[in-house]
Amino acid sequence: DTEVTQTPKHLVMGMTNKKSLKCEQHMGHRAMYWYKQKAKKPPELMFVYSYEKLSINESVPSRFSPECPNSSLLNLHLHALQPEDSALYLCASSQGVAIETQYFGPGTRLLVL
Amino acid sequence: QQQVKQSPQSLIVQKGGISIINCAYENTAFDYFPWYQQFPGKGPALLIAIRPDVSEKKEGRFTISFNKSAKQFSLHIMDSQPGDSATYFCAASRSNDYKLSFGAGTTVTVRA
Repeated sequence: DTEVTQTPKHLVMGMTNKKSLKCEQHMGHRAMYWYKQKAKKPPELMFVYSYEKLSINESVPSRFSPECPNSSLLNLHLHALQPEDSALYLCASSQGVAIETQYFGPGTRLLVL
Repeated sequence: QQQVKQSPQSLIVQKGGISIINCAYENTAFDYFPWYQQFPGKGPALLIAIRPDVSEKKEGRFTISFNKSAKQFSLHIMDSQPGDSATYFCAASRSNDYKLSFGAGTTVTVRA
C-alpha cells in the first residue's frame, strides 16, 4: 500500500481565517513533505520532516506552520493567507530523507479569498 | 535556476502513437531520475525511475532511456492511449538528498 491521504480535498478561506490541512500515511515512512503546486507548474518544496522533526524549511512565510504530531501524521496550519497562496497543497512521504522515492497524496485545493 | 530542463511543454499524439518527452540536467551528482504522472486535480504518481548505471528501463508501455554522457533522459510512451492524457514531470535527485529537482512538465493529450 503506497497511499498518502489528505484532508480536506478542497478548502476556501478568507484572509483572516485559520485553517489546517492534514496528511496521513501508514507505510512506516519516516520522512514527510509539504509541497505547493500552482497550475501548470511543478511542485515546490515547502517543508521536510525527518523522524518527526522539521529538518528543512524552504524559506516559507510564517503564515504557514507545519506540525508533525507523530510518525504517521503531518499537519499544515494556515493563518492570514494571501490570495496568491491559492494552490494545490501536496503532502508526500518517503522511507527516509535519503531514500529518493517520494509518494504523493492527492492534494488539498486551497482558495484564499 | 532550473536544474532540469524538460521539453516539449505540450504534445498531442494520436491513439496508438508514441509520445516522447525529453529532459536534460546539468548537475552530474544527480543519480536518481524518476518520472511522475499527474492527472488534473490529483497528486503526482511515480511512474518509473532509473539510475545512471542503466541505459534503459521498461515498464509496460513506458520506457526511460538514459544517456549519461549527454546528461539527458527521456520517457517514451508506446501505443499511447487516451487514458495516458496527463501532465508528466521528470525529476532528478542525489543520493542522501531530500530534494527532487523537477522539470517544468509536459502536458500530453492523446486523441482517440
